[in-house]
Amino acid sequence: ILNVEQSPQSLHVQEGDSTNFTCSFPSSNFYALHWYRWETAKSPEALFVMTLNGDEKKKGRISATLNTKEGYSYLYIKGSQPEDSATYLCASPSGNTPLVFGKGTRLSVIA
Amino acid sequence: DAGVIQSPRHEVTEMGQEVTLRCKPISGHDYLFWYRQTMMRGLELLIYFNNNVPIDDSGMPEDRFSAKMPNASFSTLKIQPSEPRDSAVYFCASSRQYSNQPQHFGDGTRLSIL
Repeated sequence: ILNVEQSPQSLHVQEGDSTNFTCSFPSSNFYALHWYRWETAKSPEALFVMTLNGDEKKKGRISATLNTKEGYSYLYIKGSQPEDSATYLCASPSGNTPLVFGKGTRLSVIA
Repeated sequence: DAGVIQSPRHEVTEMGQEVTLRCKPISGHDYLFWYRQTMMRGLELLIYFNNNVPIDDSGMPEDRFSAKMPNASFSTLKIQPSEPRDSAVYFCASSRQYSNQPQHFGDGTRLSIL
């Protein structure tokens, strides 16, 4: 089973700052890359599913890019707000496992 | 469209008791997944079903764990007998396809074994 790695583990930013974090995965046999947003005491909520190298997706102030050749994806948040505070998970299929999840990046936005 | 529905939301029981967690997937989703969330291991897949058939149960930790999906709208995860180390949040998720469609998660069951 491939390792999906995320960095940093946690991040504190001021309200209004823009931020980004990384998901890395083995580039061989790539199939798809998922991003989820997970608020405390709630369940993970899908943000993006990306399948094509060079793909870029956007939802409001959040966007993501994908580089399948080098095995990484970036998630960007523009003008962070306190309601963006959550753990952001990425995940990718591996072998017989539909999705292997990273440990997440915990974002705290300070007002 | 109703989301994935899990019950109960919380379960507290004594060691040795049987625990049954329930899940109703989103209608039309062919895949159903059971996950366990722990501090140490994060979100780990226990078992998944395709069209009600268990496909891969290699993530089920022990024979004490079993899962069934008798029809397209219902699945159970059972632990018998339960142990304190089974305490965790258990999530059920469903999706339309294997891995190029998003998974939709239920609210989870927080299980505490005393």
